[in-house]
Amino acid sequence: QLQLQESGPGLVKPSETLSLTCTVSGGSFSSGSYYWGWIRQPPGKGLEWIGSISYSGSTSYNPSLKSRVTISVDTSKNQFSLKLSSVTAADTAVYYCARREGGKSGGFDYWGQGTLVAVSS
Amino acid sequence: QSALTQPRSVSGSPGQSVTISCTGTSSDVGGYNYVSWYQQHPGKAPKLMIYDVTNRPSGVPDRFSGSKSGNTASLTISGLQAEDEADYYCCSYAGSYTVVFGGGTELTVL
Repeated sequence: QLQLQESGPGLVKPSETLSLTCTVSGGSFSSGSYYWGWIRQPPGKGLEWIGSISYSGSTSYNPSLKSRVTISVDTSKNQFSLKLSSVTAADTAVYYCARREGGKSGGFDYWGQGTLVAVSS
Repeated sequence: QSALTQPRSVSGSPGQSVTISCTGTSSDVGGYNYVSWYQQHPGKAPKLMIYDVTNRPSGVPDRFSGSKSGNTASLTISGLQAEDEADYYCCSYAGSYTVVFGGGTELTVL
């Protein structure tokens, strides 16, 4: 059974860079058909897609966050990572990593449990 | 890229059917048959219920069905059960390998 697990600091200071890693286990990370994504959810609010990356490293980002987001993949460790720069309190959220079956079609079929990241001094 | 529009809340009694709408534009919902739906219980990660407008993943009850007309997609839950009470989110492909979520709908089972 495929499992995804987010890891990283739970507290980040304003203006600094938020860094999270998603470790994939129990299944195929190397399939070229899958895309790996980051989605966040501010407390009490809805889901927001941040961006996705393919196994080969092709990325796509939410236009509203694109200037601050970098997603990368480390195939040797079955991991992909998120960096969000110049964070403010508005970036406080539960951050999820998830697998999408395709770049266009399919849905996010496997999710991590989510990790709460607070932005505060 | 604006969030898709969903009703804030819907409700129904056990056994009844409810439909949740998801309205976008010709650049997302209306332009592609790549709409998915997610169920989220409090404190839990979202769960995929429908993908590519009408398809159900293995293990999802056939009480859940999806459809689309023009720029609006819909999720219908028939034979409502207490365990269906949750938040529901739609998501659509929006071109250039991007996706956009709806604002979410809270389903209350009366």
